Amino acid sequence: EDQVTQSPEALRLQEGESSSLNCSYTVSGLRGLFWYRQDPGKGPEFLFTLYSAGEEKEKERLKATLTKKESFLHITAPKPEDSATYLCAVQALTTDSWGKLQFGAGTQVVVTP
Amino acid sequence: DTEVTQTPKHLVMGMTNKKSLKCEQHMGHRAMYWYKQKAKKPPELMFVYSYEKLSINESVPSRFSPECPNSSLLNLHLHALQPEDSALYLCASSPKGVNQPQHFGDGTRLSIL
Repeated sequence: EDQVTQSPEALRLQEGESSSLNCSYTVSGLRGLFWYRQDPGKGPEFLFTLYSAGEEKEKERLKATLTKKESFLHITAPKPEDSATYLCAVQALTTDSWGKLQFGAGTQVVVTP
Repeated sequence: DTEVTQTPKHLVMGMTNKKSLKCEQHMGHRAMYWYKQKAKKPPELMFVYSYEKLSINESVPSRFSPECPNSSLLNLHLHALQPEDSALYLCASSPKGVNQPQHFGDGTRLSIL
């Protein structure tokens, strides 16, 4: 059975204190791995898609990496506006082309000034 | 602001009421999705429409009835809901093709009295 596990559940950082979030997955062939951020009362906002092991994507203070078993979201020198819940989702090769996503439970990040 | 627009933002209804949620996108996406999200949980897929045809129903109770009148519009008709149906209902859309990210609206916060 496909599984997506995110850790830690919650992370409290001081402004400028870099850290990493983990998303480990077990799927019968990976079609794609997606990172989203979600603010309270809002819908998930798309950040990155990763397709194959070794791939990296960057956007401002965020960098996502992918191996055959897990993905990391690195937050470099975070600011309070980076506070959000970060969701990881995978699309398995067995799903149809319209993208049945399986989400992890998310990591809630709080960055204090 | 997101490019997927959902109305209303909030809805309170009794268990005997009939109401509808509306979702609109003008990005030319040909796949549209309904998700349900409970507090502190990830989104759960309910329905997928591909080229205005229902392609996935995740065993959702019949009191939820989706409709896709055209490629830009997605509705979710609600009837005889239960208190446990109170949640954030999210709509998403994605372009044609595999590995395309889903883009979410900000949801409708539904409360069942």
